[in-house]
Amino acid sequence: DGGITQSPKYLFRKEGQNVTLSCEQNLNHDAMYWYRQDPGQGLRLIYYSQIVNDFQKGDIAEGYSVSREKKESFPLTVTSAQKNPTAFYLCASSIGDRVAQKAFFGQGTRLTVV
Amino acid sequence: GESVGLHLPTLSVQEGDNSIINCAYSNSASDYFIWYKQESGKGPQFIIDIRSNMDKRQGQRVTVLLNKTVKHLSLQIAATQPGDSAVYFCADLVTGNQFYFGTGTSLTVIP
Repeated sequence: DGGITQSPKYLFRKEGQNVTLSCEQNLNHDAMYWYRQDPGQGLRLIYYSQIVNDFQKGDIAEGYSVSREKKESFPLTVTSAQKNPTAFYLCASSIGDRVAQKAFFGQGTRLTVV
Repeated sequence: GESVGLHLPTLSVQEGDNSIINCAYSNSASDYFIWYKQESGKGPQFIIDIRSNMDKRQGQRVTVLLNKTVKHLSLQIAATQPGDSAVYFCADLVTGNQFYFGTGTSLTVIP
């Protein structure tokens, strides 16, 4: 089955530690996205990538980093510089900017920093 | 920043009634719109989409209406069921750019 997979589902980290969230897709999509969702709020864009080896900052990129070395993978690192990292993180992918098509979402990773 | 917003954060409807969820957008260059459903603790699921060259699109029990004159989008759910209880998001896309999401409307279906 084709899809987009995020792991782990729940993640706990101590304050001051970097943590990397995994996102893998086998949909052959060019574009991938990371969103952050806080309770009772909408989705805010952290980073997006339209093609391998290229990515752009979204609205709330500070304290986060990404890489796009492979088409299938778009890992997100939450660094110690992110002041309020506890949140629900969602990864998505879409065909890309050649044509407007829906984005598919993973099931999310809930990160708790203690 | 975000180019979409929602009129109401919460909506309660009686089971069997129709639901209407509204969304406003501000970017006149937006050419593609999507409605997503998000259940608690899960990722958003695609419901229906519409391109800017259309003003109406129907799916199974759902209809999306697009009014480009006033930059307004709505999702109509017919015969609302308890399983429809969730948060609904609209999103817009300017081709070649990124998706922007509204803040969501929480729909509660009363049995």
